[in-house]
Amino acid sequence: GESVGLHLPTLSVQEGDNSIINCAYSNSASDYFIWYKQESGKGPQFIIDIRSNMDKRQGQRVTVLLNKTVKHLSLQIAATQPGDSAVYFCAENKGGNEKLTFGTGTRLTIIP
Amino acid sequence: NAGVTQTPKFRILKIGQSMTLQCTQDMNHNYMYWYRQDPGMGLKLIYYSVGAGITDKGEVPNGYNVSRSTTEDFPLRLELAAPSQTSVYFCASRDPGTGRETQYFGPGTRLLVL
Repeated sequence: GESVGLHLPTLSVQEGDNSIINCAYSNSASDYFIWYKQESGKGPQFIIDIRSNMDKRQGQRVTVLLNKTVKHLSLQIAATQPGDSAVYFCAENKGGNEKLTFGTGTRLTIIP
Repeated sequence: NAGVTQTPKFRILKIGQSMTLQCTQDMNHNYMYWYRQDPGMGLKLIYYSVGAGITDKGEVPNGYNVSRSTTEDFPLRLELAAPSQTSVYFCASRDPGTGRETQYFGPGTRLLVL
């Protein structure tokens, strides 16, 4: 079936280094993608989104890259800080559908 | 704006008891959602609503009911609590008029059924 999945369930990164979190999707009709951050005991928080007519979008210390050829999405976090430790989810949407499809998440741990 | 608020934050239920999880948003969003998140897992959609008076089932609706009498409120009802309903429940909302499908989440309700 159609799904959104993540390559790595856990990732540990030294403080100050850059981190990359990956996500694969199988629905070629998906045209909107979102990254969420979920800290322990909290609800998911929107980080950044991208539409399928773009390859790259930058925010504050975060960059999302979209490769439609291989159906791959990544989240890059620059100069990681302890506050970046969280679970990161990707989500996808097809053509303005009411529902999002979420991946299982990657736990990012920042090592001091 | 307070955004999406949920009550209670935490609740312990006995098997067979019932309860209502409250969700309110003050952003005038038409779309609202209920998810459950089991430990170490992703989000599973229980029910959603695209406007007052309209609700629809998600991926895991069994054992739950919802109603949407106003734009602001979207309560989730558990009629006969079972241990399998032990989870963290998140409510979310979205404004379809923005052209962005981003959903905004509440802080969650942690439910333990014993």
